[in-house]
Amino acid sequence: EPEVTQTPSHQVTQMGQEVILRCVPISNHLYFYWYRQILGQKVEFLVSFYNNEISEKSEIFDDQFSVERPDGSNFTLKIRSTKLEDSAMYFCASSDLAGLNEQYFGPGTRLTVT
Amino acid sequence: AQKVTQAQTEISVVEKEDVTLDCVYETRDTTYYLFWYKQPPSGELVFLIRRNSFDEQNEISGRYSWNFQKSTSSFNFTITASQVVDSAVYFCALSEAGNQGGKLIFGQGTELSVKP
Repeated sequence: EPEVTQTPSHQVTQMGQEVILRCVPISNHLYFYWYRQILGQKVEFLVSFYNNEISEKSEIFDDQFSVERPDGSNFTLKIRSTKLEDSAMYFCASSDLAGLNEQYFGPGTRLTVT
Repeated sequence: AQKVTQAQTEISVVEKEDVTLDCVYETRDTTYYLFWYKQPPSGELVFLIRRNSFDEQNEISGRYSWNFQKSTSSFNFTITASQVVDSAVYFCALSEAGNQGGKLIFGQGTELSVKP
């Protein structure tokens, strides 16, 4: 069964460093998403991406964040200068139809900023 | 404004008990989609069910059943004869058709603990 994959599973970085989180969505999906979950809290939407551009972004997704689909398979989230409060689990998701069908989530990348 | 409320933060039951997880949503859209996801201790998010706003038929899948009531803006989830493996955090989520990006708005989650 197709699945969303994410690398790395755990990333530790120092405050102020840049990180890139990588995702490989399901191959025939067209809509891609990043969410984050601070430990013990709810899952929060960051950004949606379709047709090589951002469809929507939340207030959390400020200028420090960017997304890219550098090739036909990868979907990346970059945090330019990490802050302590960026520590969270980051989930990538993909869907074949925005909103209509379920989003399939990757296993997540746990980002720890020290 | 869109919002999902799961008022039950934690529920603890003994194995074989039935348990209902509540979900109340707010939206101005007439077309929307509701979801339940399970997050076991391993951390991944597992899709359980999707329901669109025009389909109020209740659904049963094995020990799981869902009750969608537009009149009360609720989409409750019942586990019958709960098992220890059902222990997880369960999230209800909403997606509005008017939102072209299809983002999911999640509730706070209900942590279910099933004890043997």
